[in-house]
Amino acid sequence: QQPVQSPQAVILREGEDAVINCSSSKALYSVHWYRQKHGEAPVFLMILLKGGEQKGHEKISASFNEKKQQSSLYLTASQLSYSGTYFCGTAGGGSNYKLTFGKGTLLTVNP
Amino acid sequence: EADIYQTPRYLVIGTGKKITLECSQTMGHDKMYWYQQDPGMELHLIHYSYGVNSTEKGDLSSESTVSRIRTEHFPLTLESARPSHTSQYLCASSELVNGYTFGSGTRLTVV
Repeated sequence: QQPVQSPQAVILREGEDAVINCSSSKALYSVHWYRQKHGEAPVFLMILLKGGEQKGHEKISASFNEKKQQSSLYLTASQLSYSGTYFCGTAGGGSNYKLTFGKGTLLTVNP
Repeated sequence: EADIYQTPRYLVIGTGKKITLECSQTMGHDKMYWYQQDPGMELHLIHYSYGVNSTEKGDLSSESTVSRIRTEHFPLTLESARPSHTSQYLCASSELVNGYTFGSGTRLTVV
């Protein structure tokens, strides 16, 4: 079942923070986050596993609430290079593979 | 530096033609995937493979077929292309608890 992402779109000024949410109605084993720039392939940002800790990557971090089957991606002090569409991908059934992706969140960072 | 390669990058072909989209990876990953993505939309899984001689259909019904005779090679074939097949096709691979590595994609247009 497809995870639900919110918001659908967000516009920031450089230096502002943003949170993107991803929720599922089924039990999750892992949540992946990817960023895709226009005309390019998605790029892996991070993975959160059931029972794992919060992950971080530069100024981008994420959390995974197993009880609520939700994950949040935190972008702090956003940079122009953060612009793109962010997708969460979820896997269940005890497997980290065969991801189902959400509809994406379009993030625009303006100067 | 790309470790997963897709060819061709762009393809315009007439209705009824047979086409094969190539995907090769040099990372030795057992797991490979084909996703279909329309512009600005989410990724839909159409085929996946957990290893040589292992292929499964994904969540989105597709008239395409795949094969996995070698670990590094995962081609996708359309026996008779139709305008409804116009889309971007993304190949990806993964291993263990790492994220997907995507190829650059093939943008297919059927006229």
